[in-house]
Amino acid sequence: EPEVTQTPSHQVTQMGQEVILRCVPISNHLYFYWYRQILGQKVEFLVSFYNNEISEKSEIFDDQFSVERPDGSNFTLKIRSTKLEDSAMYFCASSGGGGRDQPQHFGDGTRLSIL
Amino acid sequence: AQRVTQPEKLLSVFKGAPVELKCNYSYSGSPELFWYVQYSRQRLQLLLRHISRESIKGFTADLNKGETSFHLKKPFAQEEDSAMYYCALGVVYGGSQGNLIFGKGTKLSVKP
Repeated sequence: EPEVTQTPSHQVTQMGQEVILRCVPISNHLYFYWYRQILGQKVEFLVSFYNNEISEKSEIFDDQFSVERPDGSNFTLKIRSTKLEDSAMYFCASSGGGGRDQPQHFGDGTRLSIL
Repeated sequence: AQRVTQPEKLLSVFKGAPVELKCNYSYSGSPELFWYVQYSRQRLQLLLRHISRESIKGFTADLNKGETSFHLKKPFAQEEDSAMYYCALGVVYGGSQGNLIFGKGTKLSVKP
């Protein structure tokens, strides 16, 4: 069964540094998402992406965050200047359709630790 | 306000006992609801969605609009059901692409 893959599985970064989290969505999916989960808290929506544009973003997704589809397979989340509170598990997801009734398929996540 | 509430952080049952994981939602329109499961050290996996009305791994969930609930049930729990279970609501904020609002999750522990 096709899967969403994320790299790296764990990223440790100094505060203030830039970090890029990478995702390869399921190949025939066109709708992409990033979520995060701070330890002990719920999974929170960050951003959705379709047709090389951001569709929706949450309040969490401020100017420090950006997303990109640099080629035909990767979907990246960049945090420009990391803060301690960015430490979390980041999940990428993709779906075959864009409606709110469409199931989203998640990757294993990247654990981001900011020192 | 759009919200998903899972009141139980932890649910512990014995093998063979019935299980009910509670989920309540708040949404002004017609809800699209999902259950996701996360086994230890694995990814979030779709377990059920209300629109398909199917049973996966013996689990079922019925949407009750009157009670705004989407509880997950299984008549006889198995040890391999031990996992985190997340209820999620599909929403659209302003554009056309949906995203998910998750509950805090319930950790199910099935004892032998």
